[in-house]
Amino acid sequence: SAVISQKPSRDICQRGTSLTIQCQVDSQVTMMFWYRQQPGQSLTLIATANQGSEATYESGFVIDKFPISRPNLTFSTLTVSNMSPEDSSIYLCSVRGDTEAFFGQGTRLTVV
Amino acid sequence: DQQVKQNSPSLSVQEGRISILNCDYTNSMFDYFLWYKKYPAEGPTFLISISSIKDKNEDGRFTVFLNKSAKHLSLHIVPSQPGDSAVYFCAASGLTGGGNKLTFGTGTQLKVEL
Repeated sequence: SAVISQKPSRDICQRGTSLTIQCQVDSQVTMMFWYRQQPGQSLTLIATANQGSEATYESGFVIDKFPISRPNLTFSTLTVSNMSPEDSSIYLCSVRGDTEAFFGQGTRLTVV
Repeated sequence: DQQVKQNSPSLSVQEGRISILNCDYTNSMFDYFLWYKKYPAEGPTFLISISSIKDKNEDGRFTVFLNKSAKHLSLHIVPSQPGDSAVYFCAASGLTGGGNKLTFGTGTQLKVEL
């Protein structure tokens, strides 16, 4: 199993600003995943963060809006840039084990 | 295009009875399926999984059934307990993305009543 620490757990931000979410894993992992859960929706994969290379973004998500850093095998950050109310969501960090994925507790972001 | 669907947004069951949560998928490349439980203000926690080579997997009170021809899976919880009240997500993965990418359903809110 993996223990994932994510912070902040929640934040309220002004539109037009940016927020950086941090994710720390208790073991070294090759890939870290960032998900978004909009209100009443499913978890949607934003991007896969690979150590030593650029993140791979899913359709509908771009690096300028969601820049990701992956400086080592246990840490990653996701930045939500130039926020609008539509970015209000829960953002989740995840790593994949042998058979299942493990998740952080999530960051609940509200943009006002 | 929602490739994994949970058509029941909510389900209410009495304590001690069986809870059945359903999930349908459309992508025939999915070969591994998982169920997660999520409490408010927490991340999803893994419950049980099933590979496409099986049609049933059991772990304590939780059993997952897979019907590949119908592209349907279900999670049975018996007996249901008040602590089972949470949102349940089914998820699927396959050859796409090297098997690491999970596609989630929209979730079913289960309420177990006393």
